[in-house]
This record gives sequence, structure tokens and C-alpha cells, in this order.
Amino acid sequence: DAGITQSPRHKVTETGTPVTLRCHQTENHRYMYWYRQDPGHGLRLIHYSYGVKDTDKGEVSDGYSVSRSKTEDFLLTLESATSSQTSVYFCAIRPDRDSNQPQHFGDGTRLSIL
Amino acid sequence: AQKITQTQPGMFVQEKEAVTLDCTYDTSDPSYGLFWYKQPSSGEMIFLIYQGSYDQQNATEGRYSLNFQKARKSANLVISASQLGDSAMYFCAMREGDTGNQFYFGTGTSLTVIP
Repeated sequence: DAGITQSPRHKVTETGTPVTLRCHQTENHRYMYWYRQDPGHGLRLIHYSYGVKDTDKGEVSDGYSVSRSKTEDFLLTLESATSSQTSVYFCAIRPDRDSNQPQHFGDGTRLSIL
Repeated sequence: AQKITQTQPGMFVQEKEAVTLDCTYDTSDPSYGLFWYKQPSSGEMIFLIYQGSYDQQNATEGRYSLNFQKARKSANLVISASQLGDSAMYFCAMREGDTGNQFYFGTGTSLTVIP
């Protein structure tokens, strides 16, 4: 299994509070991704990274920011959480050598915003 | 327009029978890749099979095969000899272009295998 750890695995917080989710990998892969999964929507890309300090937006990036100061860590921050950001968040990684490589996913973080 | 469309919210199949899960995609990029993932009730995402846009033959991985019809922009997953453990959500995904920065997922199909 790909070495991907997401923390925390579960979090409940209140509207308006900041929240940071962490994705840690031990594979030294270049690409890292953050998705959210909601019923009826599948997985939607929030942000991705193609190297240290290199990040870009996905299709649902509003309200989210990311940082990657080290190859192994990719942080997702909700500056001021809203109830619409209640979701399951998945981190994924992918090596950069071959474009046919699939993404490998962490176990997810279940985030509830009350 | 949706990049990936999975039109079957739920499917049922008898154990040991074959089942086809539909996936159509939309892209104007000549280079792309198509992936299928399985998500059991425990929640993890498991990679099943990959098909590249330039691949001449349909991909196969054990009991999984991909029925790739490029002109129709479809990439259906075929599971042969279904097992109870195949009950899960199945997602089709597309990598658009060569850089692999953007992936698009469908809404998924829930498969239930009946004993």
C-alpha cells in the first residue's frame, strides 16, 4: 500500500473556525492532490501540487488554501469553515515518471462543521 | 458539460455472473487516461484498471476488463464472475492531457452482488 497518512481522520468543529488537514506521504512522489467527496458528486478536485511550493487550483477551490513546504506534506486549510464544507476529504499522490500512473489515496478525513 | 458521466446510480448482479458498469467521457485532448476505482463500504479508494487513449487493446486486470470504445468516448468496466466482495461503489476517472495535473471523477455506480 502507498504510504499516505491523513490526519485527523475525524473532526467536528464549528462554523467560522479555521481547520487544517494534513496529508503525509513516505513515497517521495511529486504530485499530491486534495479532493472532497459528497453524495451525488463523486470526488471533486480542490487543489493539487506538482512540487514543493508549487500548487494550483482545482474545480472547487473557493474557501480552501493549501501549502507544501516539504515533499512529504501537503496541508489543506479552511480559513473560516462553513457548513457547506462538511464532507469527506481525500488526499492522493502520484509519481511523475509515467502519465499512466494512477493516483493512490489516503483513507480520508471525515469533517463535520456545525 | 460533465467530463465523466456514469449513468447507473445502482446496479445489481447475481454472484458468478458478469456485469458492465458504464462510463462516458468528454475531452478534446487527444492524450488522456481513464481509470476505474473501487470504494468499498470501509471507504478506501482502490485502483482497479487503467486505459490510455493511445492503447490499441482493451486493458485487462484479472477479473476486470475495460471495454474501450474511443469513437463513442466510452470506457465501460466489465467485472467477470462477480463475487460478494465486489459489492462497492465504482468510480470512473479521467486524466486529461499528458501532464496529469487534472483528474475528473464520475459520480459513481453502487454495485450490489446478490448471493
